[in-house]
Amino acid sequence: QKEVEQDPGPLSVPEGAIVSLNCTYSNSAFQYFMWYRQYSRKGPELLMYTYSSGNKEDGRFTAQVDKSSKYISLFIRDSQPSDSATYLCAMRDTGFQKLVFGTGTRLLVSP
Amino acid sequence: NAGVTQTPKFRILKIGQSMTLQCTQDMNHNYMYWYRQDPGMGLKLIYYSVGAGITDKGEVPNGYNVSRSTTEDFPLRLELAAPSQTSVYFCASRDGTSRSYEQYFGPGTRLTVT
Repeated sequence: QKEVEQDPGPLSVPEGAIVSLNCTYSNSAFQYFMWYRQYSRKGPELLMYTYSSGNKEDGRFTAQVDKSSKYISLFIRDSQPSDSATYLCAMRDTGFQKLVFGTGTRLLVSP
Repeated sequence: NAGVTQTPKFRILKIGQSMTLQCTQDMNHNYMYWYRQDPGMGLKLIYYSVGAGITDKGEVPNGYNVSRSTTEDFPLRLELAAPSQTSVYFCASRDGTSRSYEQYFGPGTRLTVT
């Protein structure tokens, strides 16, 4: 079993839709959860960062962490064609210096 | 402020050749990382460094070597290239004092071994 599981997609939605991206994980020691966005032929860039359980909102983006279910989500409201990218979840535990990445979900938002 | 820069952008190697992928950051970050990204496989950590003179293996270190003689530079060496090393390579850095644990990535090097 992979430590972090993420559906590779692609996920195709029309402009304006609400998008839900998800990851599950198996290591209960993970405390820090991140979402990176990667445009085609570019390096990943940090989008959202959450510590432990709960929600965090930043503009059209909301990150949710449910540690009891070992499940994290990224919601995108009013999706735009410029949101078309691959979204990677990443996580680590408190003492570990390395991130564990999901495989990434490719999102396509059509005008 | 250029962030993380990587050279070359693209490279084609023949089996058995060697090369060095260059990575430089100008943010004075102490942590640096090398990843490879294969289609559908996410990012796999090759090597990382917590400061000049200190390096450690990641998840997939075989066939690679690194050195860290300065804070700014973290080159990745491929010896005896094999087709399995065809991939996109990303270098990243982060500030060890940052709570967000944000890693800043370079634009990547696309390597093909034939």
